[in-house]
Amino acid sequence: KAGVTQTPRYLIKTRGQQVTLSCSPISGHRSVSWYQQTPGQGLQFLFEYFSETQRNKGNFPGRFSGRQFSNSRSEMNVSTLELGDSALYLCASSLGGLAGGSEQYFGPGTRLTVT
Amino acid sequence: AQSVAQPEDQVNVAEGNPLTVKCTYSVSGNPYLFWYVQYPNRGLQFLLKYITGDNLVKGSYGFEAEFNKSQTSFHLKKPSALVSDSALYFCAVRDVLNPNTGFQKLVFGTGTRLLVSP
Repeated sequence: KAGVTQTPRYLIKTRGQQVTLSCSPISGHRSVSWYQQTPGQGLQFLFEYFSETQRNKGNFPGRFSGRQFSNSRSEMNVSTLELGDSALYLCASSLGGLAGGSEQYFGPGTRLTVT
Repeated sequence: AQSVAQPEDQVNVAEGNPLTVKCTYSVSGNPYLFWYVQYPNRGLQFLLKYITGDNLVKGSYGFEAEFNKSQTSFHLKKPSALVSDSALYFCAVRDVLNPNTGFQKLVFGTGTRLLVSP
């Protein structure tokens, strides 16, 4: 089975711009979660989508949004980029999601640099 | 708030020796606990989890972890370390449902870097 894929792998944007990241989960997985990883804050949960519905949400401002399509692929959007948004953004898929206590399978991440 | 603590930033061990990476948690109710490993420039890989049942959980690559409710710990162990085990290890706990938002999340520790020397 193919693993979780994320595109693009690297991205450079300037402050004030917006960005869209894409994630394709493992076939059959209906849950997709997004995380932000930075040296200072570590790994922080952004949100989880399950069957096209946002099921869970972390403590991030409304500039961070996401969606999930009927084929379980997910996109994450960050508007009005700030320097502090520079991070590795990880996507993870699972069968049953957080509610089911399912283990998550992570993609390689998208490295976003905001200048 | 639910949390996990990984008290050691780095653990050094010689190849062939046993290794332990520590994790303690704070959560109300029964915890769902996980261990993940991250190799350089890659995403996280699942090692093992505890939800219920036997306190000793066996996972991938020869790793195991022991759930200790009285000490609120979930330490990761391996009987004989390999150089290839050198990586960043994360402990995580599933948060309880927030009664106000209906949301829950996975909370990660700060990570422990394991260095296995030849």
